[in-house]
Amino acid sequence: DARVTQTPRHKVTEMGQEVTMRCQPILGHNTVFWYRQTMMQGLELLAYFRNRAPLDDSGMPKDRFSAEMPDATLATLKIQPSEPRDSAVYFCASVPSTGATSETQYFGPGTRLLVL
Amino acid sequence: EDQVTQSPEALRLQEGESSSLNCSYTVSGLRGLFWYRQDPGKGPEFLFTLYSAGEEKEKERLKATLTKKESFLHITAPKPEDSATYLCAVSPSNDYKLSFGAGTTVTVRA
Repeated sequence: DARVTQTPRHKVTEMGQEVTMRCQPILGHNTVFWYRQTMMQGLELLAYFRNRAPLDDSGMPKDRFSAEMPDATLATLKIQPSEPRDSAVYFCASVPSTGATSETQYFGPGTRLLVL
Repeated sequence: EDQVTQSPEALRLQEGESSSLNCSYTVSGLRGLFWYRQDPGKGPEFLFTLYSAGEEKEKERLKATLTKKESFLHITAPKPEDSATYLCAVSPSNDYKLSFGAGTTVTVRA
């Protein structure tokens, strides 16, 4: 049963520290999304990649957030420096590489981040 | 800007009591409307994609329908295991982006 995996599942850190979240998309999926979920804002798109190239990162605070895809099996989201308002659940999702824009996004279990 | 509004925010049902969730949307050319289910502490789980007005899809006790301005998720004779937050999302034409609604939290009591 192919699944998107995310690590760590939980992270508690102090304000100002760097946080790195990792995502392994489903094998063969070439489009990867990063979302943030909070009670107040719901699910928000931060950035997404296709074939490892960034397509859109307009939802991401650029001064402290960065997203990369070093290879086809790993996507990373970094926050430096972290702030309490970054506390949220961060989800990764991936889409198959058929090229059809109708494909469904499959979500990982999320990384629950708490910044103190 | 794409917008998705879900109602009600919360729904408490007795087991067997059928009901409907609403998702109204505005989008620049609809590529697809998606329904997801999310359980506490987990990621959204895909349920349905609807592409055009008049389309309907079913899965067990769930049935999703689509018009030009809204979608309904009908839950027929729900069971406690149907308790979850149901999320609606839309994607504009020629783009992969999803804009999500705030969700409807359904609680089914035995």
